[in-house]
Amino acid sequence: GQQVMQIPQYQHVQEGEDFTTYCNSSTTLSNIQWYKQRPGGHPVFLIQLVKSGEVKKQKRLTFQFGEAKKNSSLHITATQTTDVGTYFCAGLMVGGNKLVFGAGTILRVKS
Amino acid sequence: GAVVSQHPSWVICKSGTSVKIECRSLDFQATTMFWYRQFPKQSLMLMATSNEGSKATYEQGVEKDKFLINHASLTLSTLTVTSAHPEDSSFYICSARDKGRNNSPLHFGNGTRLTVT
Repeated sequence: GQQVMQIPQYQHVQEGEDFTTYCNSSTTLSNIQWYKQRPGGHPVFLIQLVKSGEVKKQKRLTFQFGEAKKNSSLHITATQTTDVGTYFCAGLMVGGNKLVFGAGTILRVKS
Repeated sequence: GAVVSQHPSWVICKSGTSVKIECRSLDFQATTMFWYRQFPKQSLMLMATSNEGSKATYEQGVEKDKFLINHASLTLSTLTVTSAHPEDSSFYICSARDKGRNNSPLHFGNGTRLTVT
């Protein structure tokens, strides 16, 4: 079936270090969305990428969508303790109406 | 911004009883709502797609008679866990998309933590 693979599963970094999580889809995506879920909370929408090769930035966060629209990444520069949480990518398959979520990457930041 | 209200936020029930969870879109209309289940430190597993005015679409492996979904209006969907058992204990989250905007992001409720004793 349609799958979105996300790695790594966990990442512990020292505050100030960079962090990256990667997503790869088995099929071409219409768009990809990223969500952040704080411990004990619900997923909150971060950004949506639609165009092939698209790059978007939100302060220290950089989101990329691959040329083939099958992979994406989220990069955080100089992590802070407020970045702690689980980051999910979610892909909308071409012709589909439901998002397929990646497994998520749990980010822990040591101060 | 768009807000989705989910109630209750937590519930403890005895095995064999039924629990109803409500999901409301407060400032937009949602033709479609989605129900997810999330186990600790795991991803969101789509259970079913709730369609206003019609039957819900269930994902493979999800029992439709156990997880009853009703989408009576453009702002309300309910999930009823019938004859709950301890293995049904989980975090249930609903989400909604603004009507007519298939590519727009999902807005999630706060989730309901169900514990069946």
